[in-house]
Amino acid sequence: GQQLNQSPQSMFIQEGEDVSMNCTSSSIFNTWLWYKQDPGEGPVLLIALYKAGELTSNGRLTAQFGITRKDSFLNISASIPSDVGIYFCAGLDLYNQGGKLIFGQGTELSVKP
Amino acid sequence: EPEVTQTPSHQVTQMGQEVILRCVPISNHLYFYWYRQILGQKVEFLVSFYNNEISEKSEIFDDQFSVERPDGSNFTLKIRSTKLEDSAMYFCASSETEGGRQFFGPGTRLTVL
Repeated sequence: GQQLNQSPQSMFIQEGEDVSMNCTSSSIFNTWLWYKQDPGEGPVLLIALYKAGELTSNGRLTAQFGITRKDSFLNISASIPSDVGIYFCAGLDLYNQGGKLIFGQGTELSVKP
Repeated sequence: EPEVTQTPSHQVTQMGQEVILRCVPISNHLYFYWYRQILGQKVEFLVSFYNNEISEKSEIFDDQFSVERPDGSNFTLKIRSTKLEDSAMYFCASSETEGGRQFFGPGTRLTVL
């Protein structure tokens, strides 16, 4: 089945620093989604990407859908303590697997004030 | 802001017992999903549901699992005879279209003793 590799697994940064994380896939997706999960809660949608090459921002967050359709990255600029949490990428192959989201393993972000 | 709700937030059950997890998707959404997340692991797809039928299901979703939309608002996941390894967070999600953004509920933590 399709696999998503997300890296890094964890990051420890200083408040104010920029952060970058990415996901790569063994096969093509036609939608990439980025979620944030706080402990004991459900994933919260941050950004959705639908076209290869698309670059989308949501406040301090920027995500891109890779040209090959097999990768995506998420950048967080000027991190703040409330950015702490686990970030998941998720891909969707609508034509072959319907609405089934495939999730990456997550990137755990810690921000030191 | 409309949101997906789930009840109960925590369910403790004995091995072999039946459990029903409940979800109220966002009201104008037509596509519904269940995912699970074992502690410390990534989110895994279980099943998608549209027009009162299962659209896709994973290998995890065996004969012990079933889903139902008993009325116009609720979407349920039933596990007939729970096993220890069913202990996990179960998330319901919904989307307006099949390839559209999926919004997740807060989850039900299922503990099987």
